[in-house]
Amino acid sequence: GEDVEQSLFLSVREGDSSVINCTYTDSSSTYLYWYKQEPGAGLQLLTYIFSNMDMKQDQRLTVLLNKKDKHLSLRIADTQTGDSAIYFCAESNSNYQLIWGAGTKLIIKP
Amino acid sequence: ETGVTQTPRHLVMGMTNKKSLKCEQHLGHNAMYWYKQSAKKPLELMFVYNFKEQTENNSVPSRFSPECPNSSHLFLHLHTLQPEDSALYLCASSQEKSGRGISRQYFGPGTRLTVT
Repeated sequence: GEDVEQSLFLSVREGDSSVINCTYTDSSSTYLYWYKQEPGAGLQLLTYIFSNMDMKQDQRLTVLLNKKDKHLSLRIADTQTGDSAIYFCAESNSNYQLIWGAGTKLIIKP
Repeated sequence: ETGVTQTPRHLVMGMTNKKSLKCEQHLGHNAMYWYKQSAKKPLELMFVYNFKEQTENNSVPSRFSPECPNSSHLFLHLHTLQPEDSALYLCASSQEKSGRGISRQYFGPGTRLTVT
């Protein structure tokens, strides 16, 4: 079936780059998304990429898409304590539903 | 962001209780969703309403009963729950049920439910 997989935890030092990875199975995905969930809050759309792109940059965020390997990554440059959150990868499947990963908890070490 | 609100934020209930979760969106959206978020598991889509009509029911047990009286309000009625139903229940809304184009969903803060 359709599946989106991510590591559950990532620990980085403040100021370093964070790279959160995601793999998916549905090759017909149209859009892929990164959502951020801060403690005690709902999910917020962070960024997204259309499936015919391989890279998208938005300030400190860089999204890379390898469609052949069905691999999506989110790079956060100069990671700050405010970036501590759970990051969810999601894809739109062929029925236009969102299929979600389990989320990666980003832990920032001082 | 207060576009989607949920009440209560926390709920503790016994297995024989009946309670309801409420969601309200102030964004003028036409689609609303209930998700279940459990630790270390993907978000589970439970129900989808599009223009007040239920369009998805992902094999959710009948002890969860949704209600959508209008496109701004969504309820989740709970009765005879089990301890494994303890989770964060998230409500979301979008302009319409995800179709072609970007599928941006706006989420509420969730209700943390504990079943004892």
